[in-house]
Amino acid sequence: DQQVKQNSPSLSVQEGRISILNCDYTNSMFDYFLWYKKYPAEGPTFLISISSIKDKNEDGRFTVFLNKSAKHLSLHIVPSQPGDSAVYFCAASPLGAGNMLTFGGGTRLMVKP
Amino acid sequence: DSGVTQTPKHLITATGQRVTLRCSPRSGDLSVYWYQQSLDQGLQFLIQYYNGEERAKGNILERFSAQQFPDLHSELNLSSLELGDSALYFCASSAHPGRGNNEQFFGPGTRLTVL
Repeated sequence: DQQVKQNSPSLSVQEGRISILNCDYTNSMFDYFLWYKKYPAEGPTFLISISSIKDKNEDGRFTVFLNKSAKHLSLHIVPSQPGDSAVYFCAASPLGAGNMLTFGGGTRLMVKP
Repeated sequence: DSGVTQTPKHLITATGQRVTLRCSPRSGDLSVYWYQQSLDQGLQFLIQYYNGEERAKGNILERFSAQQFPDLHSELNLSSLELGDSALYFCASSAHPGRGNNEQFFGPGTRLTVL
Protein backbone atom coordinates (compact mmCIF):
# COMPACT_ATOMS: atom_id res chain seq x y z
CA ASP A 1 0.00 0.00 0.00
CA GLN A 2 1.75 3.16 -1.23
CA GLN A 3 1.03 5.96 1.19
CA VAL A 4 2.94 8.52 -0.87
CA LYS A 5 2.58 8.48 -4.64
CA GLN A 6 4.23 10.35 -7.44
CA ASN A 7 2.18 9.38 -10.44
CA SER A 8 4.45 10.86 -13.09
CA PRO A 9 7.65 8.82 -13.42
CA SER A 10 9.15 11.46 -15.71
CA LEU A 11 8.73 15.06 -16.80
CA SER A 12 10.46 17.00 -19.58
CA VAL A 13 10.55 20.81 -19.52
CA GLN A 14 12.25 23.51 -21.57
CA GLU A 15 14.89 25.63 -19.85
CA GLY A 16 13.37 28.82 -18.41
CA ARG A 17 9.88 27.38 -18.12
CA ILE A 18 8.10 26.20 -15.00
CA SER A 19 8.46 22.62 -13.75
CA ILE A 20 5.60 21.27 -11.67
CA LEU A 21 6.07 18.00 -9.82
CA ASN A 22 3.12 16.43 -8.06
CA CYS A 23 2.70 14.16 -5.07
CA ASP A 24 -0.35 12.58 -3.43
CA TYR A 25 -0.63 10.97 -0.03
CA THR A 26 -3.24 8.88 1.73
CA ASN A 27 -2.23 8.90 5.40
CA SER A 28 -4.02 11.65 7.36
CA MET A 29 -1.38 11.37 10.08
CA PHE A 30 1.26 12.94 7.84
CA ASP A 31 1.89 16.49 8.96
CA TYR A 32 5.28 17.38 7.54
CA PHE A 33 6.30 17.12 3.91
CA LEU A 34 9.67 17.38 2.20
CA TRP A 35 11.11 17.37 -1.29
CA TYR A 36 14.47 15.82 -2.09
CA LYS A 37 16.51 15.88 -5.25
CA LYS A 38 18.74 12.97 -6.22
CA TYR A 39 21.51 12.67 -8.77
CA PRO A 40 22.79 9.24 -9.82
CA ALA A 41 25.33 7.71 -7.42
CA GLU A 42 24.59 10.33 -4.75
CA GLY A 43 22.34 10.47 -1.72
CA PRO A 44 19.11 12.51 -1.77
CA THR A 45 19.62 16.23 -1.17
CA PHE A 46 17.07 18.13 0.88
CA LEU A 47 15.35 20.90 -1.10
CA ILE A 48 12.39 22.33 0.74
CA SER A 49 9.81 21.36 3.33
CA ILE A 50 6.36 22.41 4.49
CA SER A 51 4.41 21.88 7.65
CA SER A 52 0.71 21.03 7.52
CA ILE A 53 -0.14 24.34 9.19
CA LYS A 54 0.96 26.15 6.01
CA ASP A 55 -0.20 25.89 2.43
CA LYS A 56 2.85 27.40 0.75
CA ASN A 57 6.57 27.67 1.34
CA GLU A 58 9.06 29.41 -0.91
CA ASP A 59 12.83 29.20 -1.18
CA GLY A 60 14.35 30.95 -4.15
CA ARG A 61 13.26 29.22 -7.35
CA PHE A 62 11.48 26.47 -5.41
CA THR A 63 7.94 26.70 -4.04
CA VAL A 64 5.99 23.89 -2.41
CA PHE A 65 2.20 24.02 -2.23
CA LEU A 66 0.15 21.86 0.11
CA ASN A 67 -3.56 21.12 -0.30
CA LYS A 68 -4.51 19.20 2.82
CA SER A 69 -8.11 18.58 1.85
CA ALA A 70 -6.98 16.96 -1.39
CA LYS A 71 -3.96 15.30 0.27
CA HIS A 72 -1.82 16.72 -2.51
CA LEU A 73 1.40 18.66 -2.69
CA SER A 74 3.36 20.06 -5.56
CA LEU A 75 6.82 21.46 -6.16
CA HIS A 76 7.21 24.36 -8.57
CA ILE A 77 10.60 25.23 -10.01
CA VAL A 78 10.76 28.61 -11.75
CA PRO A 79 12.69 29.15 -13.93
CA SER A 80 13.88 25.63 -14.64
CA GLN A 81 17.57 25.16 -15.39
CA PRO A 82 19.44 22.24 -16.99
CA GLY A 83 21.18 21.63 -13.64
CA ASP A 84 17.77 20.86 -12.14
CA SER A 85 17.68 17.62 -14.14
CA ALA A 86 17.53 14.89 -11.50
CA VAL A 87 15.07 12.57 -9.76
CA TYR A 88 12.79 14.35 -7.31
CA PHE A 89 11.27 12.55 -4.34
CA CYS A 90 8.52 13.80 -2.10
CA ALA A 91 8.48 12.47 1.44
CA ALA A 92 6.08 12.69 4.35
CA SER A 93 6.44 12.39 8.08
CA PRO A 94 3.68 11.45 10.54
CA LEU A 95 2.76 13.08 13.83
CA GLY A 96 5.31 12.15 16.44
CA ALA A 97 6.08 8.66 15.17
CA GLY A 98 9.84 8.96 15.29
CA ASN A 99 9.96 11.20 12.24
CA MET A 100 10.46 8.36 9.81
CA LEU A 101 10.06 9.50 6.23
CA THR A 102 7.80 7.74 3.76
CA PHE A 103 8.97 8.42 0.22
CA GLY A 104 7.17 8.53 -3.09
CA GLY A 105 8.59 6.62 -6.03
CA GLY A 106 10.24 9.68 -7.57
CA THR A 107 9.84 11.75 -10.74
CA ARG A 108 12.70 12.11 -13.18
CA LEU A 109 12.89 15.73 -14.36
CA MET A 110 14.71 16.56 -17.56
CA VAL A 111 15.28 20.22 -18.34
CA LYS A 112 16.23 20.76 -21.96
CA PRO A 113 18.48 23.67 -22.94
CA ASP B 1 28.41 17.54 0.67
CA SER B 2 25.76 16.84 3.33
CA GLY B 3 28.28 16.18 6.09
CA VAL B 4 27.04 12.60 6.52
CA THR B 5 29.66 9.99 5.68
CA GLN B 6 29.13 6.34 4.86
CA THR B 7 31.61 3.54 4.38
CA PRO B 8 32.22 1.52 2.36
CA LYS B 9 30.96 3.03 -0.88
CA HIS B 10 30.65 -0.37 -2.55
CA LEU B 11 30.44 -3.85 -1.12
CA ILE B 12 30.28 -7.13 -3.04
CA THR B 13 29.69 -10.31 -1.11
CA ALA B 14 28.16 -13.76 -1.39
CA THR B 15 24.84 -15.15 -0.21
CA GLY B 16 24.86 -16.27 3.41
CA GLN B 17 27.53 -13.77 4.43
CA ARG B 18 27.38 -10.96 6.98
CA VAL B 19 28.36 -7.33 6.39
CA THR B 20 28.52 -4.12 8.41
CA LEU B 21 27.76 -0.70 6.99
CA ARG B 22 28.97 2.35 8.83
CA CYS B 23 27.59 5.88 9.09
CA SER B 24 28.85 9.06 10.72
CA PRO B 25 26.19 11.73 11.14
CA ARG B 26 26.63 15.47 10.61
CA SER B 27 28.41 17.18 13.46
CA GLY B 28 25.91 17.89 16.21
CA ASP B 29 23.14 15.65 14.84
CA LEU B 30 21.79 13.20 17.42
CA SER B 31 19.48 11.16 15.23
CA VAL B 32 20.48 8.61 12.60
CA TYR B 33 18.18 6.91 10.13
CA TRP B 34 18.78 3.99 7.77
CA TYR B 35 16.98 3.57 4.45
CA GLN B 36 17.12 0.93 1.76
CA GLN B 37 16.65 1.72 -1.92
CA SER B 38 16.14 -1.28 -4.13
CA LEU B 39 15.24 -1.20 -7.82
CA ASP B 40 11.59 -2.08 -7.41
CA GLN B 41 10.80 -0.57 -4.02
CA GLY B 42 12.09 2.99 -3.88
CA LEU B 43 13.43 4.40 -0.61
CA GLN B 44 12.22 2.40 2.38
CA PHE B 45 12.74 3.41 6.01
CA LEU B 46 14.49 0.74 8.07
CA ILE B 47 15.29 2.09 11.51
CA GLN B 48 16.03 5.26 13.52
CA TYR B 49 18.30 5.88 16.49
CA TYR B 50 18.31 8.94 18.65
CA ASN B 51 21.23 9.59 21.01
CA GLY B 52 22.04 5.91 21.23
CA GLU B 53 18.52 4.59 21.65
CA GLU B 54 16.28 2.95 19.07
CA ARG B 55 13.43 5.34 18.35
CA ALA B 56 11.48 3.95 15.41
CA LYS B 57 11.44 0.82 13.33
CA GLY B 58 10.21 0.36 9.80
CA ASN B 59 10.25 -2.66 7.51
CA ILE B 60 13.53 -3.98 8.80
CA LEU B 61 14.13 -7.72 8.46
CA GLU B 62 15.04 -9.76 11.52
CA ARG B 63 18.34 -10.61 9.79
CA PHE B 64 19.22 -6.91 9.95
CA SER B 65 20.21 -5.02 13.07
CA ALA B 66 21.64 -1.63 13.87
CA GLN B 67 23.13 0.31 16.72
CA GLN B 68 24.29 3.82 17.53
CA PHE B 69 27.45 4.25 19.55
CA PRO B 70 28.33 6.87 22.20
CA ASP B 71 30.18 8.93 19.58
CA LEU B 72 26.88 8.89 17.62
CA HIS B 73 28.14 6.93 14.63
CA SER B 74 25.90 4.07 13.61
CA GLU B 75 26.36 0.64 12.10
CA LEU B 76 23.87 -1.44 10.15
CA ASN B 77 24.54 -5.17 10.28
CA LEU B 78 23.10 -7.40 7.57
CA SER B 79 23.41 -11.15 8.04
CA SER B 80 22.50 -14.34 6.15
CA LEU B 81 22.50 -12.23 3.04
CA GLU B 82 20.20 -13.08 0.15
CA LEU B 83 20.26 -11.97 -3.47
CA GLY B 84 17.28 -9.70 -2.77
CA ASP B 85 19.29 -7.71 -0.22
CA SER B 86 21.25 -6.15 -3.06
CA ALA B 87 20.39 -2.46 -2.85
CA LEU B 88 21.62 1.00 -2.00
CA TYR B 89 21.67 1.63 1.75
CA PHE B 90 21.47 5.24 2.84
CA CYS B 91 22.10 6.76 6.19
CA ALA B 92 20.60 10.12 7.12
CA SER B 93 20.89 12.33 10.17
CA SER B 94 18.92 15.15 11.73
CA ALA B 95 19.46 17.42 14.70
CA HIS B 96 16.54 17.12 17.08
CA PRO B 97 13.59 15.18 15.70
CA GLY B 98 10.41 17.02 16.40
CA ARG B 99 7.52 18.73 14.85
CA GLY B 100 8.55 21.02 12.06
CA ASN B 101 12.17 20.12 12.34
CA ASN B 102 12.67 16.93 10.45
CA GLU B 103 14.99 17.79 7.62
CA GLN B 104 17.10 14.70 7.22
CA PHE B 105 20.46 14.95 5.49
CA PHE B 106 21.58 11.92 3.56
CA GLY B 107 24.96 10.33 3.06
CA PRO B 108 26.19 9.12 -0.35
CA GLY B 109 25.05 5.57 0.29
CA THR B 110 26.62 2.11 0.27
CA ARG B 111 25.90 -0.04 -2.76
CA LEU B 112 25.61 -3.67 -1.65
CA THR B 113 25.78 -6.42 -4.25
CA VAL B 114 25.05 -9.97 -3.14
CA LEU B 115 26.19 -12.63 -5.60
